[in-house]
Amino acid sequence: NAGVTQTPKFQVLKTGQSMTLQCAQDMNHEYMSWYRQDPGMGLRLIHYSVGAGITDQGEVPNGYNVSRSTTEDFPLRLLSAAPSQTSVYFCASSRGGIETQYFGPGTRLLVL
Amino acid sequence: QQQVKQSPQSLIVQKGGISIINCAYENTAFDYFPWYQQFPGKGPALLIAIRPDVSEKKEGRFTISFNKSAKQFSLHIMDSQPGDSATYFCAANNFNKFYFGSGTKLNVKP
Repeated sequence: NAGVTQTPKFQVLKTGQSMTLQCAQDMNHEYMSWYRQDPGMGLRLIHYSVGAGITDQGEVPNGYNVSRSTTEDFPLRLLSAAPSQTSVYFCASSRGGIETQYFGPGTRLLVL
Repeated sequence: QQQVKQSPQSLIVQKGGISIINCAYENTAFDYFPWYQQFPGKGPALLIAIRPDVSEKKEGRFTISFNKSAKQFSLHIMDSQPGDSATYFCAANNFNKFYFGSGTKLNVKP
């Protein structure tokens, strides 16, 4: 099993550009989530999904969109990148909400 | 406003000592409290977790102590080793939403 994979590993964007961060898991997990990690802030939940076709907002959803068309994939879209979105983004999956979450290796995003 | 408050921000412990990290919360609806370990450049990994109906859980050298009335929980690392040097995060879950503490950077001196 590859576990949770994320692409790209690193990305530089200009303000106003859009992009999609990819996340995939091969463990047949129903629950998937996106976090951003900033120094001194811990991880903050952006969006999450409890199954294909179902998504919901987390703590810091503004500026981000998600969709879940398959169990395996959970992409995160930045509609119009801002410098405040410079961060490290982690995707995670688990069998359910209150289960062991497996995190991907992260995507480091720099918005200029 | 941070839903889970974690302290200390950093911690230096001698090899063989006990590392203690504390977390506090306000929302009594939280029903699952995991601790994660993160090494530089890696994603967090689950270390140990507890439900609020249990006051203590031990797995090897790692113990969670949970005080429901005080709304506090803590991670104890016994016989700390240099390989334990990492950043530790507490978290709390309410209806599929996880809230993380700000992290504690642990440095175990040989």
